[in-house]
Amino acid sequence: DQQVKQNSPSLSVQEGRISILNCDYTNSMFDYFLWYKKYPAEGPTFLISISSIKDKNEDGRFTVFLNKSAKHLSLHIVPSQPGDSAVYFCAASAAHNYGQNFVFGPGTRLSVLP
Amino acid sequence: GAVVSQHPSWVICKSGTSVKIECRSLDFQATTMFWYRQFPKQSLMLMATSNEGSKATYEQGVEKDKFLINHASLTLSTLTVTSAHPEDSSFYICSASFDHTSYNEQFFGPGTRLTVL
Repeated sequence: DQQVKQNSPSLSVQEGRISILNCDYTNSMFDYFLWYKKYPAEGPTFLISISSIKDKNEDGRFTVFLNKSAKHLSLHIVPSQPGDSAVYFCAASAAHNYGQNFVFGPGTRLSVLP
Repeated sequence: GAVVSQHPSWVICKSGTSVKIECRSLDFQATTMFWYRQFPKQSLMLMATSNEGSKATYEQGVEKDKFLINHASLTLSTLTVTSAHPEDSSFYICSASFDHTSYNEQFFGPGTRLTVL
């Protein structure tokens, strides 16, 4: 049973437009969420995180929104750039793991078209 | 800061041999190191969690006698794939974190591509 879902395996967006990547989770114990970006043959790099006490966290072009009641979070990238083309993983953790044991979603491949 | 390296970046070996992958935190002392495996077009699957000086905690379904993890110091963890078989071919990624008392992201290594012939 997948505890973290990213139902869109891929997404294509025009350069300069907004990219919205979605993530849903089933475990109500999750209270810390992260987004990672991964290029082929490289390890993931941390993008942005949010804890359950917030519903929004912003860092430059990246904003993560959390809807706890819907068990849903989304990553917004504005404006999208060709260099943003990568696979984006949503990850979640529960308090008793001190945010250490993350459960990753399957990823969404974002393609930003010039 | 917070750089994690892996060596080798890729390795090809014959079936039945053992392969060792190193994971190092270069500029910080890692309280905990994690080993992940990624199959093509799939997510990262946590294999095991290791703390320096103690035995690794393996996820369900991961054979601890096949995937030997040694966390010898606060900056080095090794994963040894023993008696490798073609189905062990995968992308292995380590990550490291510090300060287990608060939330912190994990810092990932660049990964190691293992191909078993």
